[in-house]
Amino acid sequence: GAGVSQSPRYKVAKRGQDVALRCDPISGHVSLFWYQQALGQGPEFLTYFQNEAQLDKSGLPSDRFFAERPEGSVSTLKIQRTQQEDSAVYLCASSPGTSGNTIYFGEGSWLTVV
Amino acid sequence: QKEVEQNSGPLSVPEGAIASLNCTYSDRVSQSFFWYRQYSGKSPELIMSIYSNGDKEDGRFTAQLNKASQYVSLLIRDSQPSDSATYLCAVTLATGTSYGKLTFGQGTILTVHP
Repeated sequence: GAGVSQSPRYKVAKRGQDVALRCDPISGHVSLFWYQQALGQGPEFLTYFQNEAQLDKSGLPSDRFFAERPEGSVSTLKIQRTQQEDSAVYLCASSPGTSGNTIYFGEGSWLTVV
Repeated sequence: QKEVEQNSGPLSVPEGAIASLNCTYSDRVSQSFFWYRQYSGKSPELIMSIYSNGDKEDGRFTAQLNKASQYVSLLIRDSQPSDSATYLCAVTLATGTSYGKLTFGQGTILTVHP
């Protein structure tokens, strides 16, 4: 595809439910990022992959959050035992290189925990 | 104190006027600075990047950086109603494992009225 693709676009989860959010980066992009954006706030960094290696996971808010990119392309962000404070837009972004390149964002997955 | 601060606005300007958006950051080792535009319900879109002190112009947009004052600004000349959006300031170290670890401000809502 032409851009970063995320699915599902919208997800309503009951508190305590596990969710998985998928990101399909631009073909050939080495770097992949996950960000969390709460309503009315700027995005906050969660984690960074270079190919299949997770180089930085310092932004993951708790051990309920887990991300993987096993083959260096598609990535999944998993949230276990969702809580209301997890309600946010989860943005995936990719970049062709490992420095100095434009970072392209996907449309986001809107998660609402009820 | 937040690492990247923006006035949340809303900032309202008439069509054709200059819109001035401001951003301050706290980490003196920040090296790269970006302005993203985000329409409601859409993903952030990069409009300007700046890496050294001074001004950088691109069409109707001018980014200004003053590292001594830890200040970044964005000027939009001849503002159009289509410029109405949230403008996000972001900073990063942009090297090594910090690549792509953008720290965003909360965004400034700009409204350009006809």
